Amino acid sequence: KAGVTQTPRYLIKTRGQQVTLSCSPISGHRSVSWYQQTPGQGLQFLFEYFSETQRNKGNFPGRFSGRQFSNSRSEMNVSTLELGDSALYLCASSLAGGRNTEAFFGQGTRLTVV
Amino acid sequence: KNEVEQSPQNLTAQEGEFITINCSYSVGISALHWLQQHPGGGIVSLFMLSSGKKKHGRLIATINIQEKHSSLHITASHPRDSAVYICGGNAGGTSYGKLTFGQGTILTVHP
Repeated sequence: KAGVTQTPRYLIKTRGQQVTLSCSPISGHRSVSWYQQTPGQGLQFLFEYFSETQRNKGNFPGRFSGRQFSNSRSEMNVSTLELGDSALYLCASSLAGGRNTEAFFGQGTRLTVV
Repeated sequence: KNEVEQSPQNLTAQEGEFITINCSYSVGISALHWLQQHPGGGIVSLFMLSSGKKKHGRLIATINIQEKHSSLHITASHPRDSAVYICGGNAGGTSYGKLTFGQGTILTVHP
């Protein structure tokens, strides 16, 4: 069974631009969560989508947004990029996102903002 | 104080040594994840456990929900075990899809 697929793997953008990252969850999984990983802050929760609805959101500015499609694939968008947005962005999929549901992570998208 | 704390932050070992990484948490986590991340690589889920012990090859994870503490053990460590190990869990309630993680433990195993 295919794992969680994130595209692209690497991305270089300029300050002020916007970027869209994609995550295809494991087949049958309806919950997709996004995380930002930086050396200083570790893994920080961005948001979670379930059945095309955002159910949970972390403490990130409104420049960070996302959506989920009917096939459970999810995208996240970062507008007006800042240097500090350089990070590894990971998505995780699970059956339903509940507290005892195992999460499976993708390889991540490494974003560099110059 | 972080909701999930790991110790040690850095760990260096010689090949063959027994390794223990600890994870303590203050939130109402009922199931804990252990993740492994190799340099430049993505994250692999090693275990999710809510009670007792789980074993996979040379890796063993234990958890005590009442004491809010979990440990990850590596027996007969090998240089390929060098990675960052991260623990975390879901606090339940309205924390849908949200895992709260520790800062990670950087493990280096020398041949």
